[in-house]
Amino acid sequence: DTGVSQDPRHKITKRGQNVTFRCDPISEHNRLYWYRQTLGQGPEFLTYFQNEAQLEKSRLLSDRFSAERPKGSFSTLEIQRTEQGDSAMYLCASSSSTGFRSGANVLTFGAGSRLTVL
Amino acid sequence: QQQVKQSPQSLIVQKGGISIINCAYENTAFDYFPWYQQFPGKGPALLIAIRPDVSEKKEGRFTISFNKSAKQFSLHIMDSQPGDSATYFCAASKGGATNKLIFGTGTLLAVQP
Repeated sequence: DTGVSQDPRHKITKRGQNVTFRCDPISEHNRLYWYRQTLGQGPEFLTYFQNEAQLEKSRLLSDRFSAERPKGSFSTLEIQRTEQGDSAMYLCASSSSTGFRSGANVLTFGAGSRLTVL
Repeated sequence: QQQVKQSPQSLIVQKGGISIINCAYENTAFDYFPWYQQFPGKGPALLIAIRPDVSEKKEGRFTISFNKSAKQFSLHIMDSQPGDSATYFCAASKGGATNKLIFGTGTLLAVQP
């Protein structure tokens, strides 16, 4: 297993366009998280999946944002009608729910997808 | 609302010195406190973590000190090396189904040779 993979690594788009990011978690991890990180700030929680169920969404996730995790495997994060304020690094992380000592609280992050909205 | 406050924003340390980064939290329901290290162009990676039932945890050159009554915890990097130059984030989470992490704003550490 090569860890958490994110694609694309960089995306430049014009305001108003739609963009989609993909995340492939570590295969045995049933939990998947999306975070957003802007320059000079820590990652901010966006949403969380356990298997295919989206269990929590941040207020940061406006109705222009939608995330899916079909079949509990990979996940996609779509941003519709992008705005310049959406420019950020979008980080995906995964973890296992099988007890703290097994690493349940250990989030493994991907390298991120950097979005630039012109 | 900033639930986890981190300081300093940046830190310059000489090689071999001790780097100290501090964090304070507000929510007493937090029960897990990790530190993540992030290099440019990479995602954050777990460095070390602590639960509030212990006051200190050490792994190699990295130590977390935890003060439950003050709601503060800190990262100490002993014998700092240029390869430690990175951005460090403290974080916290509370028990429950989500286990989502709330991150601090980060500290950019530069270790000078």
